[in-house]
Amino acid sequence: QSVLTQPPSVSAAPGQKVTISCSTSSSNIENNYVSWYQQLPGTAPKLLIYENNKRPSGIPDRFSGSKSGTSATLDITGLQTGDEADYYCGTWDSSLSTGAFGGGTKLTVL
Amino acid sequence: QVQLVESGGGVVQPGRSLRLSCAASGFTFSHYGMHWVRQAPGKGLEWVAVIRYDGSEVNYADSVKGRFTISRDNSRNTVHLQMNTLRPEDTAVYYCARVQGHTLCLDYWGQGTLVTVSS
Repeated sequence: QSVLTQPPSVSAAPGQKVTISCSTSSSNIENNYVSWYQQLPGTAPKLLIYENNKRPSGIPDRFSGSKSGTSATLDITGLQTGDEADYYCGTWDSSLSTGAFGGGTKLTVL
Repeated sequence: QVQLVESGGGVVQPGRSLRLSCAASGFTFSHYGMHWVRQAPGKGLEWVAVIRYDGSEVNYADSVKGRFTISRDNSRNTVHLQMNTLRPEDTAVYYCARVQGHTLCLDYWGQGTLVTVSS
């Protein structure tokens, strides 16, 4: 059972916007940065967002992240069929010195 | 360009050991912490272990503590995961990943190596 809670699945039509949530009852999100990863079928995860809301070079601005208290969200606008993937949030629990991932959210672009 | 290449996976019986390696290139390896993350078939990501850039600090998930050991050789740009007393629930694809700073910002990942624990 994941420390971070994500919805198992979300879906939306091409061109629409989707929001994926990541929440926890503990203070690990509140006190630490959140990262988001995209995993396309059969491939390794890829960093999408780090430090709550920063995008690595090459990640389009259709992807954005935010954090408030013990919850974080990933927004994807202008959905494309190529965005169909599993999305994971992750954080470092500095009090335990351990990492944690959410259970993952499968995005379907209808 | 940054490359991480895992090796050492395979089929192993419960209770036996296996050593995974991750060869890094394209960056100054000794400047970065490294993580291992695993993914059981059809399941989500599970954080496994981390080693500080200089090897001075390591940490493990509770599920592997006491059985797995992470180490690194900065002269060979390699990080290892020694897995002992393997269990069927350790069956997964194991990824090594480079970390930025003291967060879980894993900016580069290897392609993964599959470990199957089965009799």
